Amino acid sequence: AQRVTQPEKLLSVFKGAPVELKCNYSYSGSPELFWYVQYSRQRLQLLLRHISRESIKGFTADLNKGETSFHLKKPFAQEEDSAMYYCALRGGSTGNQFYFGTGTSLTVIP
Amino acid sequence: KAGVTQTPRYLIKTRGQQVTLSCSPISGHRSVSWYQQTPGQGLQFLFEYFSETQRNKGNFPGRFSGRQFSNSRSEMNVSTLELGDSALYLCASSLGGSGGYTFGSGTRLTVV
Repeated sequence: AQRVTQPEKLLSVFKGAPVELKCNYSYSGSPELFWYVQYSRQRLQLLLRHISRESIKGFTADLNKGETSFHLKKPFAQEEDSAMYYCALRGGSTGNQFYFGTGTSLTVIP
Repeated sequence: KAGVTQTPRYLIKTRGQQVTLSCSPISGHRSVSWYQQTPGQGLQFLFEYFSETQRNKGNFPGRFSGRQFSNSRSEMNVSTLELGDSALYLCASSLGGSGGYTFGSGTRLTVV
């Protein structure tokens, strides 16, 4: 069964410190993974996806199939990074169902 | 281009009533998915529509239903409302192939 696990509900780091938000998944096929972010009073929005191998707002995420992980990292956290982060896996019978983790609330302390 | 539009933004209903929520996807997006977001359960998939057909359905009771029109606009209906249906209902649209969703702002449903 498809499953996405974000073990940390809350994460606090100081400004300028590195941050890593953990995401583990289980999926029998070839996964397509995403990170979504929800800033305070804003809608959920796509941050990045593993296929693009891009860096958005200084964040990167590498798919590690051996460890079935897709951790989100940023070397120097900024106050504006404070938000709720959701890891998501795309799958399902039609390949267009997203399975979301329960989210990690990141607070960057000034 | 306009984003995903959900109406209404807020809704208060009493137990036993029914409710209909509306979603207008991004122009050109043919896939519309619905999610229920609650503090305890996070984001849970309700169903997905593509070209007026339900392609996928989550584990919700039959009280939750939806449909999609020829212009890709979608509605979801919840009948016989229960207190536990109080949640933020999110609609997301996509082209239907690879790529991510674009989410709407959601409809906040409160059942009293």
